[in-house]
Amino acid sequence: DAKTTQPPSMDCAEGRAANLPCNHSTISGNEYVYWYRQIHSQGPQYIIHGLKNNETNEMASLIITEDRKSSTLILPHATLRDTAVYYCIVRPEYGQNFVFGPGTRLSVLP
Amino acid sequence: EAQVTQNPRYLITVTGKKLTVTCSQNMNHEYMSWYRQDPGLGLRQIYYSMNVEVTDKGDVPEGYKVSRKEKRNFPLILESPSPNQTSLYFCASGVGGSYEQYFGPGTRLTVT
Repeated sequence: DAKTTQPPSMDCAEGRAANLPCNHSTISGNEYVYWYRQIHSQGPQYIIHGLKNNETNEMASLIITEDRKSSTLILPHATLRDTAVYYCIVRPEYGQNFVFGPGTRLSVLP
Repeated sequence: EAQVTQNPRYLITVTGKKLTVTCSQNMNHEYMSWYRQDPGLGLRQIYYSMNVEVTDKGDVPEGYKVSRKEKRNFPLILESPSPNQTSLYFCASGVGGSYEQYFGPGTRLTVT
């Protein structure tokens, strides 16, 4: 049973912010939200993770709702190189595995 | 350069011929893992290892073996490959089971 729900695909104009939603209504108190992305058939790449506070790093921002049932990954100025499949994963911080669902295929358009 | 390497990157083999896909990391990570990726099914974990001599099954371990004799290496062994093991395989490593896993470049395996 999937722990997260993401739209299968999204488009974004180059230079604009890309906002990728994720629904995780059954998240437990000790589970974090992680985001990875996979460009074409390369290995997935870690983007960001968070528990309940909003997080920001050099790649993206993560906004988690107060009830923690959903979150949004924000790429502030999307470029063509951000075209990828984005995976939202919930897991305890030091869990033993990551379960990757189908993710969201983001296409950044010129 | 910190990296996870896999060999071979591409392999075409026949049913039943034993093969090994090697995985090596130079980051002194305790945690290593193998995934397979198939169209429409996403990434699925095969096996993982929390440290040397400690391995455990992931979601799809049938038909695979692993070993962890050294910290840096985590080979994936297919004793008798079958066509349903045709897939793209990724090795990953990380600190403990922490948030950031580093993935290798992938091995594309075709079993005929």
